[in-house]
Amino acid sequence: QVQLVQSGAELKKPGASVKVSCKTSGYTFTKYGVSWVRQAPGQGLEWMAWINPYNGNIYYSQKQIFQGRISVTRDTSTNTVFMELGNLRSDDTAIYYCARDCGTDCQNFDYWGQGTLVAVSS
Amino acid sequence: SYVLTQPPSVSVAPGKTANITCGGNNIATKSVHWYQQRPGQAPVLVISYDRDRPSGIPERFSGSNSGNTATLTISSVEAGDEADYYCQVWHSDSDHFVFGAGTKVTVI
Repeated sequence: QVQLVQSGAELKKPGASVKVSCKTSGYTFTKYGVSWVRQAPGQGLEWMAWINPYNGNIYYSQKQIFQGRISVTRDTSTNTVFMELGNLRSDDTAIYYCARDCGTDCQNFDYWGQGTLVAVSS
Repeated sequence: SYVLTQPPSVSVAPGKTANITCGGNNIATKSVHWYQQRPGQAPVLVISYDRDRPSGIPERFSGSNSGNTATLTISSVEAGDEADYYCQVWHSDSDHFVFGAGTKVTVI
C-alpha cells in the first residue's frame, strides 16, 4: 500500500535550519509528484513546494516568507523527498506534511504523510 | 496570486445538509478539490475534479463548480463529519497549488 512516512518532530532555535524527510513506498516513486504543505497551530493549509521525482523539477511557492529559505530535494535510491527550511523564525512553527499528487498532470493530493511538528523557540 | 475564499464556519444539525462554498475568480475554469481534516489528523481527499468521489468516500459527499463558486455538499450530516474542510486548485498561471483558508463544520 502507498505510504509516506515522515521524520520525527524537531525543536529548533531561531536562525537554525531544519530538514524533514518523507520516505515513500508502495508505488513507483518517479511517477508521482510530491508537495510540501504546512499548517501552523490553529491555521489552515499552506502549500510550499512541489517536486517531480523523475527529473527533479521543482515549483516553489512565491510567497515572500519562503523566498531564499526553502530547498526541496529527492533521493531516487531511497524513494525519499526532503524539505529544508533555513533561517527559521518562530512563525515557522507548524506541522509540515508531504503529500503525493495523483500522477502526471494531476492536481490534487491523494496520499499524505503523517506530518512532522517543527517547533521554533529560543 | 489566486485567492480562494471560504466561510470560516458552517453549523448544521444531524441529518441535514451542509453546503460549504469556495469562491474564486472564474473558478469554474479550474478543477476544484476538497479535503476533510479531523483534529490531529492529516487531510483526506473527499472530492476531486469538482465532483468525483475517491474510493471509500460516502455518497453523502458531493461537489459542484460554476461561475465564481465551487460547493462541497454533505447530505444527511453525521457527527463524524465534524471537521475542517479545505478547497484546493492548481493555478497554472503561477505553477502553484492554492488552498482556501478552510471551513470548520460543526454538527449541532
